[in-house]
Amino acid sequence: AQKVTQAQTEISVVEKEDVTLDCVYETRDTTYYLFWYKQPPSGELVFLIRRNSFDEQNEISGRYSWNFQKSTSSFNFTITASQVVDSAVYFCALISGTYKYIFGTGTRLKVLA
Amino acid sequence: DTGVSQNPRHKITKRGQNVTFRCDPISEHNRLYWYRQTLGQGPEFLTYFQNEAQLEKSRLLSDRFSAERPKGSFSTLEIQRTEQGDSAMYLCASSPKTTNYGYTFGSGTRLTVV
Repeated sequence: AQKVTQAQTEISVVEKEDVTLDCVYETRDTTYYLFWYKQPPSGELVFLIRRNSFDEQNEISGRYSWNFQKSTSSFNFTITASQVVDSAVYFCALISGTYKYIFGTGTRLKVLA
Repeated sequence: DTGVSQNPRHKITKRGQNVTFRCDPISEHNRLYWYRQTLGQGPEFLTYFQNEAQLEKSRLLSDRFSAERPKGSFSTLEIQRTEQGDSAMYLCASSPKTTNYGYTFGSGTRLTVV
C-alpha cells in the first residue's frame, strides 16, 4: 500500500524561528517521486520541490531545505528564519508506480509576528 | 500562458441542484486531472484525462459526477443532484506526458452545498 503520513496537524512558531515539517511515506516501489506543496489561504497548491527515489542528496533553496532519508522513509521540510508569509498548509505527496498523487493530510503552519 | 485556470472560484448551491465547473489547463499539457479536497484533508484523486480520453475514474466519483474533456482542451466537471457531502474544494491540474515532474494545479473551485 502507498501512504503519506504527516503527523503534525498544526504547528505555531514565532517569526524568525526555524521549523521542521515531518513527512513519512510508504511504498514498495523502488522508483518513486516525492513532493512538497504549499497551500496558502487562497487555495491553490504551489509546487515547492520534487525529489526522485534515487537522489538522496539534501536540497536547500533560500530559507527552505529538505532532508530525504530512504532508510527511515522520511522527507522532511525545514523553514529557516520563518516569516509570517510562510503561514499556510503544507502537503507532502508521493507518486509511485502511477500518475496519481497520494497526499498526506497536511500540516498547518502558523507563523506569529 | 498563465497556468491552470478554474471557474468559478466559489459556488454556493442548494441541495439537489446541478453544478458544473470548468478547468482550462496549460495549453501544451495533454494530461488533465481532477482532485477533491475536503476540510482538513489532502486532495484525493477523482479522474484523469489524456487528451480527450477519460482513462480512469476513482470510486469516489459516484454516478452523480461526470467529467468531460471535449477536443482535449478544457474540461468540465458536473455534479448532479448535489448533496451536502459534496461540499469541498475541487482542484484541477495538468501535466505534460510525463508526470515525474509533478502537476500544475489550478486555484480550485470551492463548492458549498446548503
